[in-house]
Amino acid sequence: DAGITQSPRHKVTETGTPVTLRCHQTENHRYMYWYRQDPGHGLRLIHYSYGVKDTDKGEVSDGYSVSRSKTEDFLLTLESATSSQTSVYFCAIRKLGANTEAFFGQGTRLTVV
Amino acid sequence: GNSVTQMEGPVTLSEEAFLTINCTYTATGYPSLFWYVQYPGEGLQLLLKATKADDKGSNKGFEATYRKETTSFHLEKGSVQVSDSAVYFCALGSFSGNTGKLIFGQGTTLQVKP
Repeated sequence: DAGITQSPRHKVTETGTPVTLRCHQTENHRYMYWYRQDPGHGLRLIHYSYGVKDTDKGEVSDGYSVSRSKTEDFLLTLESATSSQTSVYFCAIRKLGANTEAFFGQGTRLTVV
Repeated sequence: GNSVTQMEGPVTLSEEAFLTINCTYTATGYPSLFWYVQYPGEGLQLLLKATKADDKGSNKGFEATYRKETTSFHLEKGSVQVSDSAVYFCALGSFSGNTGKLIFGQGTTLQVKP
């Protein structure tokens, strides 16, 4: 299995509180991604990173921020959680190259009450 | 922008039936195409991939051919098993400069009945 770990695996939080999800890799891959998975929407890209301190927005980035201060960690922060952000969040890593595949973490189930 | 469209599910088949899950894409340049599978309670894992036009990816009896003329990458399997029940995602990987977006379709749930 690719060395990718998400934490926490489950979290319940209250509306309006900040939440940070962590993705940690031991593969030294260049690219890291955050997706959310919701019924009827499949997997939607929130943010991704193509290097340390290099990030870009995906299709559903509103309400989320990210940081990547070192290669192995990619943090996703919900500045002020809302019920619409209840979802399963997946981190993925991918090494440099046009044809390389991504490896996924086990997911974080976040519930905002 | 780039996008991927999959057929809507769920797809329900009997064991040993033939499977097709349609996937079409919109992209500039020459993307790579992937099929991922997600079993209940797990993350996604790569099923197969194709990196250029007319390439055929295959794995575990599944196949998909990269068709540039129809912008399609349909997933097929000749005889499905109950253990193939899962959600299947078509994905497109492209590069622009240093970035590397990976875009997924909506996912198609497959249920195989004994």
